[in-house]
Amino acid sequence: NAGVMQNPRHLVRRRGQEARLRCSPMKGHSHVYWYRQLPEEGLKFMVYLQKENIIDESGMPKERFSAEFPKEGPSILRIQQVVRGDSAAYFCASSFSLTSAETQYFGPGTRLLVL
Amino acid sequence: GEDVEQSLFLSVREGDSSVINCTYTDSSSTYLYWYKQEPGAGLQLLTYIFSNMDMKQDQRLTVLLNKKDKHLSLRIADTQTGDSAIYFCAEKGGGSQGNLIFGKGTKLSVKP
Repeated sequence: NAGVMQNPRHLVRRRGQEARLRCSPMKGHSHVYWYRQLPEEGLKFMVYLQKENIIDESGMPKERFSAEFPKEGPSILRIQQVVRGDSAAYFCASSFSLTSAETQYFGPGTRLLVL
Repeated sequence: GEDVEQSLFLSVREGDSSVINCTYTDSSSTYLYWYKQEPGAGLQLLTYIFSNMDMKQDQRLTVLLNKKDKHLSLRIADTQTGDSAIYFCAEKGGGSQGNLIFGKGTKLSVKP
């Protein structure tokens, strides 16, 4: 059973370009979370999705950032018109359900560098 | 508000015990977690503890929870150089949302 997969692992963009980050949850998991890790910082929650629904986007910037988790295919975190401050590691996690006992399993992350 | 605090650095000698401490503020937290992050890698779940427990042991790892003081610790016995990494404490709140709240991480350095 493959773990959480993210691609690309590294992404370089120039200011103003778009970044698309993909996350395939563990098999059987229907809950996906995106977190951002700035250099020397802990992870900060961005958005929580279930299939075809955004449940909580309270941690995601209102502008330029969007997320989706379609019925088929991976979850996508999209950053439009990237700025240098978007440079960070973006981690996806998945869980089987929402119950308190359910553990989140993390992918290897996508490291975004904005030049 | 919710906040998780950790000391940033810890240095120990190989074979010694390491104790990494964490404090949290959300008294309704149901589960508390310890994750390990090696350089350039994702987060690996090490262990977790339910809020109605005081202690949990798993091989070389011992988690202690003082719910009254909102203090969590991770003890690694017989620390090895392979244990060098950043260790994150995280809490899951008691609300309906499942997101985790992380500390900034403690960088553990193990000297041979």
